[in-house]
Amino acid sequence: EPEVTQTPSHQVTQMGQEVILRCVPISNHLYFYWYRQILGQKVEFLVSFYNNEISEKSEIFDDQFSVERPDGSNFTLKIRSTKLEDSAMYFCASRADRGRYEQYFGPGTRLTVT
Amino acid sequence: GDSVTQMEGPVTLSEEAFLTINCTYTATGYPSLFWYVQYPGEGLQLLLKATKADDKGSNKGFEATYRKETTSFHLEKGSVQVSDSAVYFCALDAANSGYALNFGKGTSLLVTP
Repeated sequence: EPEVTQTPSHQVTQMGQEVILRCVPISNHLYFYWYRQILGQKVEFLVSFYNNEISEKSEIFDDQFSVERPDGSNFTLKIRSTKLEDSAMYFCASRADRGRYEQYFGPGTRLTVT
Repeated sequence: GDSVTQMEGPVTLSEEAFLTINCTYTATGYPSLFWYVQYPGEGLQLLLKATKADDKGSNKGFEATYRKETTSFHLEKGSVQVSDSAVYFCALDAANSGYALNFGKGTSLLVTP
């Protein structure tokens, strides 16, 4: 069964460093998402991506964040200068198309900023 | 804006007990409603969904009915198992937000033998 994959599973970085989180969505899906979950809190939407551009973003997704689909398979989230409060689990998801299709989630990347 | 409210956990039940996890929502428009489950150390898995009022989603013995009049989508299971121990998230999406999911805070369930 097709699945969303994410790498790495755990990333430790120092405050101020740049990190890139990688996702491989399901191959024929068209919509891609990033969410984050700070420990003990709810899952929060960050950004959605369609047709090589951002379609929606939340207030959390400020200038420190960027997303890219550098080739036909990868979907990346970059945090330019990490802060302690960026420590969280980051989930990638993909959806087949617009409308009433479900989102499939990856296993997540745990980001720890020290 | 849209929001989802879930009952606070943790919920601890004995095996074979009846489970209800309450979920209510506030939304403009006509969202789809979802229950996702997160097992320890794993990602989010879709458990069930309902796309319009009075729809009932069901999977693995779990059920939830989309109630527009009470803006609710309560999760139920008649007889829980130890393997159901997980965190359960209620969520909605809506066309006016690009179908991004809006999650509740999650309810932790522990089932004891």
